[in-house]
Amino acid sequence: GAGVSQSPSNKVTEKGKDVELRCDPISGHTALYWYRQSLGQGLEFLIYFQGNSAPDKSGLPSDRFSAERTGGSVSTLTIQRTQQEDSAVYLCASSKQGSGGNEQFFGPGTRLTVL
Amino acid sequence: GQNIDQPTEMTATEGAIVQINCTYQTSGFNGLFWYQQHAGEAPTFLSYNVLDGLEEKGRFSSFLSRSKGYSYLLLKELQMKDSASYLCAVRDSNDYKLSFGAGTTVTVRA
Repeated sequence: GAGVSQSPSNKVTEKGKDVELRCDPISGHTALYWYRQSLGQGLEFLIYFQGNSAPDKSGLPSDRFSAERTGGSVSTLTIQRTQQEDSAVYLCASSKQGSGGNEQFFGPGTRLTVL
Repeated sequence: GQNIDQPTEMTATEGAIVQINCTYQTSGFNGLFWYQQHAGEAPTFLSYNVLDGLEEKGRFSSFLSRSKGYSYLLLKELQMKDSASYLCAVRDSNDYKLSFGAGTTVTVRA
């Protein structure tokens, strides 16, 4: 597709369950980012992938969060044993590369609700 | 660490001008971005400043002063469709990670 796509658009889960969120970046973009946006809060950086380099996981809030990027394209963010405080919109973005003025193109996000 | 401040809300009249200020205190600096986000939608890129001065792009302009840790986004000839949240984001010296402010919700009234 022309833009970044994410699935599902909405996810409601019970506390303690695992969830997987998917991101399809723009074709040819080597940099991929995951952010979390809670109500009334700014976007919070979670993780960054650039080509074949080791990802920057410094923003992941706990070891329940993990992400992978297969084949340099699709990425999956996994949250294990979800908690109510994990409820937020999870946004994925991609850019041509990580540096300079390259703008990040955002996907529509996945709204996660943990009951 | 990063500390990015912008006003929570602003209201303006259609056809008017609004200036959204953003101040930042960051451990490193390698560019400042402004994004627009309509309710329930993804943020979309508006502007990028890395050198001091004003960048003009149609009805929108963005200004940066690195010595003051200050930027503003200027929206001219406001239209109803400009009602949205405007996000200020700073790229740190690692050259890729963006730190976002909480966003400024602009409401344009007829």
